[in-house]
Amino acid sequence: NAGVTQTPKFRILKIGQSMTLQCTQDMNHNYMYWYRQDPGMGLKLIYYSVGAGITDKGEVPNGYNVSRSTTEDFPLRLELAAPSQTSVYFCASSYSRQTGELFFGEGSRLTVL
Amino acid sequence: EDQVTQSPEALRLQEGESSSLNCSYTVSGLRGLFWYRQDPGKGPEFLFTLYSAGEEKEKERLKATLTKKESFLHITAPKPEDSATYLCAVHSGNSGYALNFGKGTSLLVTP
Repeated sequence: NAGVTQTPKFRILKIGQSMTLQCTQDMNHNYMYWYRQDPGMGLKLIYYSVGAGITDKGEVPNGYNVSRSTTEDFPLRLELAAPSQTSVYFCASSYSRQTGELFFGEGSRLTVL
Repeated sequence: EDQVTQSPEALRLQEGESSSLNCSYTVSGLRGLFWYRQDPGKGPEFLFTLYSAGEEKEKERLKATLTKKESFLHITAPKPEDSATYLCAVHSGNSGYALNFGKGTSLLVTP
């Protein structure tokens, strides 16, 4: 099992550009999440999905969009990149909401200049 | 609003020197408290789930405990490979699907 795979690992964007962070998992988990991690701050939930075709906003959704057409894939779209979106982005998945056992990818470091 | 505070921010230990990390929380209706380990440049890795006061979980040199206000991660006779950032997170009745993460404790264990 590869677990949760994120691409790209690193990316530099110019202000106003758009891009998609890819996330795929091979554990057949229904729940998938996107978090961002900023220096000196705790992880913050951007969007989550409870299954294919179902997504919802987390704590910090502004400037982002997601889709979930399959169980495996949960891409995160950044529209009109801004410097405030410079961060490390983590995709995660889980088989249960209650256990708190999230499986994280290795992260995508995004810099917006 | 839920709050999760971890202390200390950073901790340096000699190999074999036992210590504890603290996670204090203020939440409405705790549904679970979770500990994760994060190595530099990697995603967090799940360690433990605690659901109610008095509960304890152990894994190798790590032991997590929970009271009504805080959780401790005890590290017994640590080794250099235990060096990492340890994250605490809570799930409450207020947080929906989000886990509320603390800022973490950066642990360095020297030989």
